[in-house]
Amino acid sequence: DGGITQSPKYLFRKEGQNVTLSCEQNLNHDAMYWYRQDPGQGLRLIYYSQIVNDFQKGDIAEGYSVSREKKESFPLTVTSAQKNPTAFYLCASVRGAAASSGNTIYFGEGSWLTVV
Amino acid sequence: AQSVAQPEDQVNVAEGNPLTVKCTYSVSGNPYLFWYVQYPNRGLQFLLKYITGDNLVKGSYGFEAEFNKSQTSFHLKKPSALVSDSALYFCAVRVYNTDKLIFGTGTRLQVFP
Repeated sequence: DGGITQSPKYLFRKEGQNVTLSCEQNLNHDAMYWYRQDPGQGLRLIYYSQIVNDFQKGDIAEGYSVSREKKESFPLTVTSAQKNPTAFYLCASVRGAAASSGNTIYFGEGSWLTVV
Repeated sequence: AQSVAQPEDQVNVAEGNPLTVKCTYSVSGNPYLFWYVQYPNRGLQFLLKYITGDNLVKGSYGFEAEFNKSQTSFHLKKPSALVSDSALYFCAVRVYNTDKLIFGTGTRLQVFP
């Protein structure tokens, strides 16, 4: 099946640890995104990447890092510098140049990160 | 500032009745508008979008939305609600010539049998 796969679904992090959330897509989409979802706050953009080996900060990039070494993969690392990382994380992707095309952005099933 | 507002945290409707979930936006340039639905512990599913053309847009699962430029609104509607429509609904806007999608805070739709 084609789609966007996020793993793991549930992840627990101890204080001071870095953790990495995986996002893989086999849709041949060009751009990929990471969003954070907190109750009552909608979705907030963390990072996005339009092409391989290039990415831009979103609105809440502090404490997070990403890489885009392959077109189909866009992992997100939540570092110990992120003071309140407990949230639902959503990966998304879109075909082509999203800005002017109006193409639809599609989402993965999300990953829950909890600090213990 | 660019923003999307969903003024209602929750909308309650009886099964079989029409439903409306409201969305207003404030952006520069021509807006691209989207509606997504989210079920518990799931990702967002695309419902419909307005890019250009007819102001009434039809989407998945019988939903439709009307783009109103003068009122800067993009309300989601369905003529007859189903219990299975109960979910969290998000309105989003992408400003022309950017790659960012701005989301509203979401509206929880509860359809009662």
